[in-house]
Amino acid sequence: EPEVTQTPSHQVTQMGQEVILRCVPISNHLYFYWYRQILGQKVEFLVSFYNNEISEKSEIFDDQFSVERPDGSNFTLKIRSTKLEDSAMYFCASSEPDPPMEQYFGPGTRLTVT
Amino acid sequence: GQSLEQPSEVTAVEGAIVQINCTYQTSGFNGLFWYQQHAGEAPTFLSYNVLDGLEEKGRFSSFLSRSKGYSYLLLKELQMKDSASYLCGPNTDKLIFGTGTRLQVFP
Repeated sequence: EPEVTQTPSHQVTQMGQEVILRCVPISNHLYFYWYRQILGQKVEFLVSFYNNEISEKSEIFDDQFSVERPDGSNFTLKIRSTKLEDSAMYFCASSEPDPPMEQYFGPGTRLTVT
Repeated sequence: GQSLEQPSEVTAVEGAIVQINCTYQTSGFNGLFWYQQHAGEAPTFLSYNVLDGLEEKGRFSSFLSRSKGYSYLLLKELQMKDSASYLCGPNTDKLIFGTGTRLQVFP
């Protein structure tokens, strides 16, 4: 069964450093998403991406964040200058173009900022 | 505005039936998703309701009332592996989850 994959599974970085989290969505999906979940808290929407552009973003997704689809398979989330409060599990998801457009989540990348 | 409410925790015993409620208020509503999330894992899709009424899928059923902004997830014949968080999320071109309901199933 096709699945969303994410790398790395765990990333440790120092405050102020840039990180890039990578995702490979399911191949025939056209909508891509990033969510984050701080330990013990709810899953929070960050951004959705369709047709090579951001379709929607939350207030969390500020200028420190960017997304890119550099080729036909990868979807990346970049955090330019990490803060301690960026420590969280980051989930990538993708969905088909047709309703119900259920989102399939990847296993997540645990980001630890020290 | 937008709001989403679920009970924080529900407990039940194996073999029982449990209902997890969700009330929501949102604009641009297309339907309502239910996801299951085991601790430390990603959410996985359970159900999607667009129309009012009950959708049954094996041991799990989901109900929606659009006029009341209300949904519930019904889990029958509970098993230990059903212990997880259950997230409802209105589909408004993005998934907005609440804090979810943590279900603990006891033997």
